[in-house]
Amino acid sequence: GAGVSQSPRYKVAKRGQDVALRCDPISGHVSLFWYQQALGQGPEFLTYFQNEAQLDKSGLPSDRFFAERPEGSVSTLKIQRTQQEDSAVYLCASSLALQGSSGNTIYFGEGSWLTVV
Amino acid sequence: AQSVTQLGSHVSVSEGALVLLRCNYSSSVPPYLFWYVQYPNQGLQLLLKYTSAATLVKGINGFEAEFKKSETSFHLTKPSAHMSDAAEYFCAVSVPGSARQLTFGSGTQLTVLP
Repeated sequence: GAGVSQSPRYKVAKRGQDVALRCDPISGHVSLFWYQQALGQGPEFLTYFQNEAQLDKSGLPSDRFFAERPEGSVSTLKIQRTQQEDSAVYLCASSLALQGSSGNTIYFGEGSWLTVV
Repeated sequence: AQSVTQLGSHVSVSEGALVLLRCNYSSSVPPYLFWYVQYPNQGLQLLLKYTSAATLVKGINGFEAEFKKSETSFHLTKPSAHMSDAAEYFCAVSVPGSARQLTFGSGTQLTVLP
């Protein structure tokens, strides 16, 4: 597709349930990012991939969060044993160039809205 | 580390009036600066970006922003607001060479009154 695609768009999980969120970046984009956006807040960085390599995962809030991009295209963000504080919009973004390039444009998906009840 | 402060979590303007959304940044090195817009239930769309070229940057939908190093500011303006401009606006900073790419402010909700 033409843009970053995320699925599911909406997910309601019971506390303790595992969830998996999928991101299809724009074809050919090297860099992929995950952000978490709590209600009424700006997005917060979670993790960054360059192709299949996860170069920065310092934003992941706990070891219950895991992200992968095994073939350098599609990425999955997995949250184990979900808690109510995990309720947020999870935004995936991608960009064509490598990190550090001159302010290269980052394109965002529409997000996956997770509600933990 | 870099940070962004957006003054005013809610701004209301009348249709046709000037839009001014404020953003101040903190960075130890010359930054790149961005404004994104988010419509309800949608992702973020890039409005404009500053990457050390011209200090006055023009973006989509008639928006522009001016980088002022002395004031560490990157305020977003539009001469005449339209109803369709109602949305949440985020300022973001990026440090060249940083893998994190973007650090966002907390956002400003713009309401346009008829």
